[in-house]
Amino acid sequence: EDQVTQSPEALRLQEGESSSLNCSYTVSGLRGLFWYRQDPGKGPEFLFTLYSAGEEKEKERLKATLTKKESFLHITAPKPEDSATYLCAVRILMDSSYKLIFGSGTRLLVRP
Amino acid sequence: GAVVSQHPSWVICKSGTSVKIECRSLDFQATTMFWYRQFPKQSLMLMATSNEGSKATYEQGVEKDKFLINHASLTLSTLTVTSAHPEDSSFYICSARVGRDNSPLHFGNGTRLTVT
Repeated sequence: EDQVTQSPEALRLQEGESSSLNCSYTVSGLRGLFWYRQDPGKGPEFLFTLYSAGEEKEKERLKATLTKKESFLHITAPKPEDSATYLCAVRILMDSSYKLIFGSGTRLLVRP
Repeated sequence: GAVVSQHPSWVICKSGTSVKIECRSLDFQATTMFWYRQFPKQSLMLMATSNEGSKATYEQGVEKDKFLINHASLTLSTLTVTSAHPEDSSFYICSARVGRDNSPLHFGNGTRLTVT
């Protein structure tokens, strides 16, 4: 069964305290892994797409990496405004169409 | 960047009534839009794929007679929750893809539905 698991479920950091969020997946035929940020009461905001193992993408304090079984979202020296839920999603080909399977997210709280 | 607009952002309705949610692509044409549902602290669950000019494709377990989807133009898809019940209370989010199949989805800001 195709599955996406994110850990930890929640993470509290002090401002400036770097850490990593994990997204592990078991799918038959990955067609891309996506990271989104979701603020309370809002829709997800696209951050990164990764397609192959070894690929890395960076944006400000965020860096996403991908292996054959998992992806990490590294947050360097986070600020309070980085507080949000971070969602990971994998795209698979099912019944001749692409589908996104989302993880349940990691709720990040960065304290000043 | 691509913008997906969703309206209303929140709605409260009485049990048994119907509610319509609109999803618009503001600066691009979307032949396909996707409707998701999200419960608190849970992941997004795909409900249906909305196809312009044709019938929507529903995921297993989603009642197509209860969640009516209409995609009448390249910039507008609507989701109507018919005869709403308290268990339909949830956060409904639409999304659309700009460009080819390997492009990321862009999401609307969601609609919080509360059925009393």
